[in-house]
Amino acid sequence: NAGVTQTPKFQVLKTGQSMTLQCAQDMNHEYMSWYRQDPGMGLRLIHYSVGAGITDQGEVPNGYNVSRSTTEDFPLRLLSAAPSQTSVYFCASSYMGLAGSTDTQYFGPGTRLTVL
Amino acid sequence: QKEVEQDPGPLSVPEGAIVSLNCTYSNSAFQYFMWYRQYSRKGPELLMYTYSSGNKEDGRFTAQVDKSSKYISLFIRDSQPSDSATYLCAMSAMNRDDKIIFGKGTRLHILP
Repeated sequence: NAGVTQTPKFQVLKTGQSMTLQCAQDMNHEYMSWYRQDPGMGLRLIHYSVGAGITDQGEVPNGYNVSRSTTEDFPLRLLSAAPSQTSVYFCASSYMGLAGSTDTQYFGPGTRLTVL
Repeated sequence: QKEVEQDPGPLSVPEGAIVSLNCTYSNSAFQYFMWYRQYSRKGPELLMYTYSSGNKEDGRFTAQVDKSSKYISLFIRDSQPSDSATYLCAMSAMNRDDKIIFGKGTRLHILP
């Protein structure tokens, strides 16, 4: 199994540009999520999905869109990049536990995004 | 009060020492506790997890949960330079719609 894969590894954007960060997992996990990690802020949840066709907002959703058309893929779209979105972005996936709770999350290697 | 508090460090200890990493939390509903290790420029990887209170040992690592004090610990015995990383605690109430809450991480340096 490849686990959770993310592309690209690095990206530089200009303010106002849009782009899509790709995330895929081959573990048949129902739950997928996107986090951003900033110095001193820890991991903050952006959006998450409990299955194909179902997405919801996390702690910091503004400026980002997601969709989940398949179990495997969960892309994150930046609509109009801003310098405040400079961060490291991690995708994670997990099984759904009993009563719909999320289980241990497996993280991808991350995408380092710089917005100028 | 933040839900999960974790000292950011950095914590520097000599090789071979016992390391103690800690988190405190405020939500008494948390019952699933995890420790992740994150090497520089990598994604977090699960190190250990425990349910409810008690200890769990895995090689040189021991995870301890004290629900009465809302305090969790990770002990590393015979620390090695390869243990140098950021350690994040995480916890969940394991109810539907509950999210895993992460601490901000403690940077650990093991000095050769």
